[in-house]
Amino acid sequence: LAKTTQPISMDSYEGQEVNITCSHNNIATNDYITWYQQFPSQGPRFIIQGYKTKVTNEVASLFIPADRKSSTLSLPRVSLSDTAVYYCLIEGGGNKLTFGTGTQLKVEL
Amino acid sequence: DVKVTQSSRYLVKRTGEKVFLECVQDMDHENMFWYRQDPGLGLRLIYFSYDVKMKEKGDIPEGYSVSREKKERFSLILESASTNQTSMYLCASSSRSGTARPTDTQYFGPGTRLTVL
Repeated sequence: LAKTTQPISMDSYEGQEVNITCSHNNIATNDYITWYQQFPSQGPRFIIQGYKTKVTNEVASLFIPADRKSSTLSLPRVSLSDTAVYYCLIEGGGNKLTFGTGTQLKVEL
Repeated sequence: DVKVTQSSRYLVKRTGEKVFLECVQDMDHENMFWYRQDPGLGLRLIYFSYDVKMKEKGDIPEGYSVSREKKERFSLILESASTNQTSMYLCASSSRSGTARPTDTQYFGPGTRLTVL
């Protein structure tokens, strides 16, 4: 199974762009990379998923280099409500699921 | 909206007790998951079920068992609770992916915080 490494915490201010990187050196060929967001007292919720290059949706972008050994979640112009824990997940299907340890993002005024 | 509910938000049990954690989803999802979440360790998969009566072990199945008698319900069982099973337990469900993606988006319940004394 892939192993993942994320920074424990990050601080930012409202309006800034935040980039959170996840390292996954032994990702398998068929694995996908997914990011989840978790607020206190709630379960994680899906943000974005990708396999390679760049994926963008209405809330975030996901950058994956050619070697796929890392991925970067980019949150444009964060607000206070983006304060949460962010997890990367390497998905190989079925029970092949490896979550990172999570990054606590704190956004201040 | 997909709804995943868990039977309790907080639970306190004693060492050696048999503990049942229940999870119900209302979206007819084929896949259901049980995770435990601990500080500094993130989420770790305990068991996964891809159909009724089907189950697969995750990363940390020791000390746990599961039951899936109906599609919408997935139960986690601690046969004899121990203090090292004190944790936050999260249930999730997802549909079976019909694309190249290995797993469709998971929808999580709010979690059950279990304390074993």
